[in-house]
Amino acid sequence: KQEVTQIPAALSVPEGENLVLNCSFTDSAIYNLQWFRQDPGKGLTSLLLIQSSQREQTSGRLNASLDKSSGRSTLYIAASQPGDSATYLCAVSGNQFYFGTGTSLTVIP
Amino acid sequence: NAGVTQTPKFQVLKTGQSMTLQCAQDMNHNSMYWYRQDPGMGLRLIYYSASEGTTDKGEVPNGYNVSRLNKREFSLRLESAAPSQTSVYFCASTRAVEARQFFGPGTRLTVL
Repeated sequence: KQEVTQIPAALSVPEGENLVLNCSFTDSAIYNLQWFRQDPGKGLTSLLLIQSSQREQTSGRLNASLDKSSGRSTLYIAASQPGDSATYLCAVSGNQFYFGTGTSLTVIP
Repeated sequence: NAGVTQTPKFQVLKTGQSMTLQCAQDMNHNSMYWYRQDPGMGLRLIYYSASEGTTDKGEVPNGYNVSRLNKREFSLRLESAAPSQTSVYFCASTRAVEARQFFGPGTRLTVL
């Protein structure tokens, strides 16, 4: 069974800092990996989708990388802002979708 | 274009009661999913429907049933609710397994 782990569970940074969130998975037989954002009491919003044949995707200040062979992905957030405060989840899709437990990010003004 | 909608937003049940959670999408997606989210456990897949007319069990299907009513609608039924089913339930849809997932706003269910 696929296991998805996200470290750290929580992160607090001052505004303007660049930061990296980590996601690891145990089974490299995946179709893709997605990064989501979840605000308190809300649903999930897809931020970036990396297909298994791709190495990275970028959207604005966000950059996600994928290394299938090592079972790792990182989400890089540049010049963090208080509005980036949320929980970030990664999910891998194979036969089913498997989610990590997320990293709760707080950006301090 | 509403995306993925879920009803109700909140529900309180007593142990043994039954209820159906409704989900609809207007994006002409083929696949639909039901998840539950619990503190410290992340999202876990309950059931999914890869295409209209098919349903399959996910990681935690016990105590639930689903119906893919048509391409737009996918419902989740709790026949006899238990306190262990207290959770936030999310519906999601995707065009294909390799495409982005779109989530509804969730249903907060409490079973007393």
